[in-house]
Formats: sequence, structure tokens, C-alpha cells
Amino acid sequence: DAKTTQPNSMESNEEEPVHLPCNHSTISGTDYIHWYRQLPSQGPEYVIHGLTSNVNNRMASLAIAEDRKSSTLILHRATLRDAAVYYCILRRNSGGSNYKLTFGKGTLLTVNP
Amino acid sequence: DTAVSQTPKYLVTQMGNDKSIKCEQNLGHDTMYWYKQDSKKFLKIMFSYNNKELIINETVPNRFSPKSPDKAHLNLHINSLELGDSAVYFCASTPSGGATDTQYFGPGTRLTVL
Repeated sequence: DAKTTQPNSMESNEEEPVHLPCNHSTISGTDYIHWYRQLPSQGPEYVIHGLTSNVNNRMASLAIAEDRKSSTLILHRATLRDAAVYYCILRRNSGGSNYKLTFGKGTLLTVNP
Repeated sequence: DTAVSQTPKYLVTQMGNDKSIKCEQNLGHDTMYWYKQDSKKFLKIMFSYNNKELIINETVPNRFSPKSPDKAHLNLHINSLELGDSAVYFCASTPSGGATDTQYFGPGTRLTVL
């Protein structure tokens, strides 16, 4: 899997937007960009994924650079419950099954009240 | 209803013992996984099964033996436990393992080897 680079930690205030960056300069044309997060003492949970176009869902938005070498996860209004480690992961669509998730170190997001 | 469940939640045991962790998913998924999260919080895949067949084995010691009696269950048996096996083990499932599939994780089993 291609490598991703994320800041180790970020801080935000409650009810403010948060932009979590991810660099993936070696991304290939068939790599999907996935974001997962892990709340304290819980298993990881899916947040969002995209290929080329920006994506929105009830949890977040994903902004993908035109050259796809970077992406940004946007939490529109951070809440205390959003405090977690956020992982940016590339998954290659090369046929076959059982695509594993290769987790990096992620970004620890702290949300201040 | 819990989508992916694991038992037990906590497991404390002595070095050298044999123990099992159970995982069940009620999502009708074909693919299941075991991940290990060590004390430094790195999450690494250990095994993947698709329709009860082993697909991925990430150079895990053969003291670890996954068993899938049916599509909904993937158990992890560990022989001769070592101190380094202390970690949180997560089970996950996904519809088919495709690049756009979402993986659903269980709550984790914290294994402590004394």
C-alpha cells in the first residue's frame, strides 16, 4: 500500500471546524482514500472515503486535491466526542478480495471545550 | 444489536497458557479480520478470512491459529502465550473485502500476559 503522512497531533475548540491533512504523494490511480477514526478505548470506525471527487456524509467531508497527492478531512463543527485518532489510509483497487487496512500513526485530535 | 462482537473483553493470563478469543458478526459479511494493537498503539493486520478460507496471514507466529467455523465467526487461538502477546486484539468484518468496502470493527479484547 502507498504511504500516507499525517501530523502527529492537532488541537481544536468545540464547535469550530477542523481540517485534518494527509499527504499521499505516491498514490496510484486505483487507490481509494479512506479515513477511519479510533475513539478512546474503542475499535476503529469508518468515517469517509473517496477516489477523485470531494465527498460529504453525515460525519465529515473529504476534500481531495486535484493531483490526488493530498487530502483533507473536514469536521464542520467539532464536538468533544470527535476527540480521537484519525487515520488516513489508501486502499488499492487491483482486483481480488480482502483488501487490508494498513494503519499508520494517525493524527491525535484533541477538542477543547 | 452489536454488529461485530468479541469475547472476552478482558483476558489476563500467565505466560505459557493457551487462550482463545471469539468474534462474531451479524452483518452477513463474507470477510473477517484479526488486527493487533500493541502498546505503542500501532494497529497491524494479522489474518483475513473470506468465506471461511484463510486469505491473509501477515507473518504471524504459528502459535496464533485462527479458526472460522462459519462465515459469521472468526476465532483466534493462541498457544504458549508470551509477554509480547499483550495487546488489544480487534476483530473486523467487511462485505467482500473490496477497496470501497467499509470495515466494521469489534470493541477489542485486551489481553494481558503476566
